[in-house]
Amino acid sequence: GESVGLHLPTLSVQEGDNSIINCAYSNSASDYFIWYKQESGKGPQFIIDIRSNMDKRQGQRVTVLLNKTVKHLSLQIAATQPGDSAVYFCAEIRAQKLVFGQGTRLTINP
Amino acid sequence: DAMVIQNPRYQVTQFGKPVTLSCSQTLNHNVMYWYQQKSSQAPKLLFHYYDKDFNNEADTPDNFQSRRPNTSFCFLDIRSPGLGDAAMYLCATSRGGNNQPQHFGDGTRLSIL
Repeated sequence: GESVGLHLPTLSVQEGDNSIINCAYSNSASDYFIWYKQESGKGPQFIIDIRSNMDKRQGQRVTVLLNKTVKHLSLQIAATQPGDSAVYFCAEIRAQKLVFGQGTRLTINP
Repeated sequence: DAMVIQNPRYQVTQFGKPVTLSCSQTLNHNVMYWYQQKSSQAPKLLFHYYDKDFNNEADTPDNFQSRRPNTSFCFLDIRSPGLGDAAMYLCATSRGGNNQPQHFGDGTRLSIL
């Protein structure tokens, strides 16, 4: 049968609050990073990307921060809404391939 | 408008019966990828095509094959599905070259009876 999956880290926030999802990466040579959002029953959806020559990039309600010193990436979602409920994956491009992080399940409390 | 389209969304097959999943794209991207995703896990790359060049991952079982007859279409063939092959199968595309984002379809969920 299907193997048991890993237990995803979960972040619960109140609707309207800001969310911060964190990710550590391993390869100091990686120079391009992407955050994906995956809703139940759907494929990963591109949210925002950042290149290693930047430490911050902003989109609509989302901000990605990159700290190359400690190999850390974060996704900040402002004024979280019910539609933000999903699993969020960080990913790095390594040898032209996506290497996904573990994923974090974001749940929104009304 | 859907840009990476996977059919069918749900597929049921019998143990050992060959099955084919399909993916099409309207983005005219050079690269097409197939991933397997199991519950609560990240997608796992099976293989990809860069134009007509096939690139298999070292740990992809021989049971999994792929075809890309033209730029727009790519197929995943599972020759003899086992119970462990039940999963979501995701297709993605990207432009060629370095540091290009991948765009995913909504996947086909495969069940094995």
